[in-house]
Amino acid sequence: EAGVAQSPRYKIIEKRQSVAFWCNPISGHATLYWYQQILGQGPKLLIQFQNNGVVDDSQLPKDRFSAERLKGVDSTLKIQPAKLEDSAVYLCASRHSDSTDTQYFGPGTRLTVL
Amino acid sequence: AQSVTQLDSQVPVFEEAPVELRCNYSSSVSVYLFWYVQYPNQGLQLLLKYLSGSTLVESINGFEAEFNKSQTSFHLRKPSVHISDTAEYFCAVSDRGSARQLTFGSGTQLTVLP
Repeated sequence: EAGVAQSPRYKIIEKRQSVAFWCNPISGHATLYWYQQILGQGPKLLIQFQNNGVVDDSQLPKDRFSAERLKGVDSTLKIQPAKLEDSAVYLCASRHSDSTDTQYFGPGTRLTVL
Repeated sequence: AQSVTQLDSQVPVFEEAPVELRCNYSSSVSVYLFWYVQYPNQGLQLLLKYLSGSTLVESINGFEAEFNKSQTSFHLRKPSVHISDTAEYFCAVSDRGSARQLTFGSGTQLTVLP
C-alpha cells in the first residue's frame, strides 16, 4: 500500500511570495489533516477535512492560508503572501474512517521564507 | 482542550543502555495516547499507541510505554538502545470522538552514542 505523498519536498521563497503544497493521501482514506511543524516544536494542526468538507479550520490563519480538497482525494495548501514566520515543515496526514485511530503521515514539505 | 509536555528536549545515551523518554498530558476528557518517531528527513511514523485495555503497550522494535491515569503520564522505555534508535520522538494525544485530532508534545531528540 502506497503511503501519503507530498510535493514538493523543499521550497525556498521570498517573503510576500505565494506557495502551494500538494498532498495525496492513502487510497480510501476519508480524513485528511494538514499540520505545521516549526523547528524545535511538535506539529500543530492547521485544518482537517472529511472527504471534501472542512471539519475544523479554527487554527488556520485564514488571512493568508487556504486549503482545499475538491474531489475528496488530493489536497492543496496555499500561503499567500508568505511571511518569515511561515518557515516550517508542512505535514499531511490521512486516516481511513471514523472508526480508526491511526493517522499516517507524509514526508512533509520544508518551506524556507527569506 | 488537551496539552502534552515532554520533559526532556534531548536525551543522549550510550548504546545498549536503557532509556526512558517522559511524557505527561492534560485533558478534560478521555484520550488516546500515541508515540511517533521521526527519523531525519522522514515523516512521522507511529511507534505505539494506547487505546484501552492493558496499560502496557509494546512496539515491534522493543519499545514499550505504560499509561498511568493517576499521573497522566505515558512514558516511553527501551531496556537496550541501538544506534539506529537515534531519532526524534513525539508523544501525542487525541480525542476519542470522530475528529481524532492529534495534539503533540515538543519532541525529545534521542541520540544513541557508540
